[in-house]
Amino acid sequence: NAGVTQTPKFQVLKTGQSMTLQCAQDMNHNSMYWYRQDPGMGLRLIYYSASEGTTDKGEVPNGYNVSRLNKREFSLRLESAAPSQTSVYFCASSDPQGFILAGELFFGEGSRLTVL
Amino acid sequence: RKEVEQDPGPFNVPEGATVAFNCTYSNSASQSFFWYRQDCRKEPKLLMSVYSSGNEDGRFTAQLNRASQYISLLIRDSKLSDSATYLCVVNIPGAAGNKLTFGGGTRVLVKP
Repeated sequence: NAGVTQTPKFQVLKTGQSMTLQCAQDMNHNSMYWYRQDPGMGLRLIYYSASEGTTDKGEVPNGYNVSRLNKREFSLRLESAAPSQTSVYFCASSDPQGFILAGELFFGEGSRLTVL
Repeated sequence: RKEVEQDPGPFNVPEGATVAFNCTYSNSASQSFFWYRQDCRKEPKLLMSVYSSGNEDGRFTAQLNRASQYISLLIRDSKLSDSATYLCVVNIPGAAGNKLTFGGGTRVLVKP
């Protein structure tokens, strides 16, 4: 059972480089999310997509862009990486649509990004 | 003030003992609450939802205190495998809709 798959699992970037984190889910979920997790900070929402074709900013969107390519895929792009973006990134999906009833988030295994 | 706050711990617990910890939230309009478990270097997974009347799932009991705006998690008969970080999640209403907000997590270490 694949669930939520995100790639790459590890990445080291230099300041100013760009990269895209890929995420795909095979559970036919409407909603998808990108979080970052820093020590002692819990998970903070970067962007989310309540349904195919829509995206919205979360708590910490600056420096990131997203694309909901189709119902399965939701990518996160860092256009010009900064050391402050060193973090663990988690993609998640949920169903039913939207946050109101969403309680169970299904997470990918995480992507560990280091920006030098 | 953070919207959702937890004692980071660690709570060092002898095997077989009971441990309890709380999570406070600032928005009184919050409607739904959850506990997630996260193992070291792994993704979070839903442990249980928290209902107004309180609920139990095996050795785990969750309670909600709306008046004081906190939820709690109690673990009875702790097992070594209960060692993990427990994340409180609160559904917080806002202008752009509701959002699930995570606390910073409480680390629990169960020792023989």
